[in-house]
Amino acid sequence: KQEVTQIPAALSVPEGENLVLNCSFTDSAIYNLQWFRQDPGKGLTSLLLIQSSQREQTSGRLNASLDKSSGRSTLYIAASQPGDSATYLCAVRDSGNTPLVFGKGTRLSVIA
Amino acid sequence: DAGVIQSPRHEVTEMGQEVTLRCKPISGHDYLFWYRQTMMRGLELLIYFNNNVPIDDSGMPEDRFSAKMPNASFSTLKIQPSEPRDSAVYFCASSSVPGEGHYGYTFGSGTRLTVV
Repeated sequence: KQEVTQIPAALSVPEGENLVLNCSFTDSAIYNLQWFRQDPGKGLTSLLLIQSSQREQTSGRLNASLDKSSGRSTLYIAASQPGDSATYLCAVRDSGNTPLVFGKGTRLSVIA
Repeated sequence: DAGVIQSPRHEVTEMGQEVTLRCKPISGHDYLFWYRQTMMRGLELLIYFNNNVPIDDSGMPEDRFSAKMPNASFSTLKIQPSEPRDSAVYFCASSSVPGEGHYGYTFGSGTRLTVV
């Protein structure tokens, strides 16, 4: 059974820092991996989706990498801003016809 | 498209009452998922549908929970009778068939359920 782990559970950084959020999964035979952002009391917003054949995806200040063989993904946030404060969730899909399995998230606080 | 639409946004009910949560997926999406989120357990999959047919309901906690998808544009999650431990945020999400365009998930805003 696929399990997704995110470390750290919480992170606090000063504004302007570059930071990395980590995600690991137990079964490396995944179909795709998706990073989400969740603001307090809100739903989930998709940030980046990486197919199993891809190594990374970029959107603005965000870069997500995928290393299937080691069962790891990282989300890199450049030049962090207070508006980046939120919970970031990693999720993997084992096949095209199966649901996403989520990690418990990393709660990020960017201090001005 | 207005995205995945869930109603109500908030629900407060007394223990023992029936609760019905509603979801309208994105038009053209073939998959619909119901998740529950709590602080302790994070996001848990309850049930998902493909082309209106339930595929896997192994995440439904008890017989008190039931879900239906009578057509491609509507799904319900019902709890009867409700209990305080059912208090959580319930999310609905939809996605398209893999291989046909973007096949990531789109989530609704969630229904925050409080059972007192």
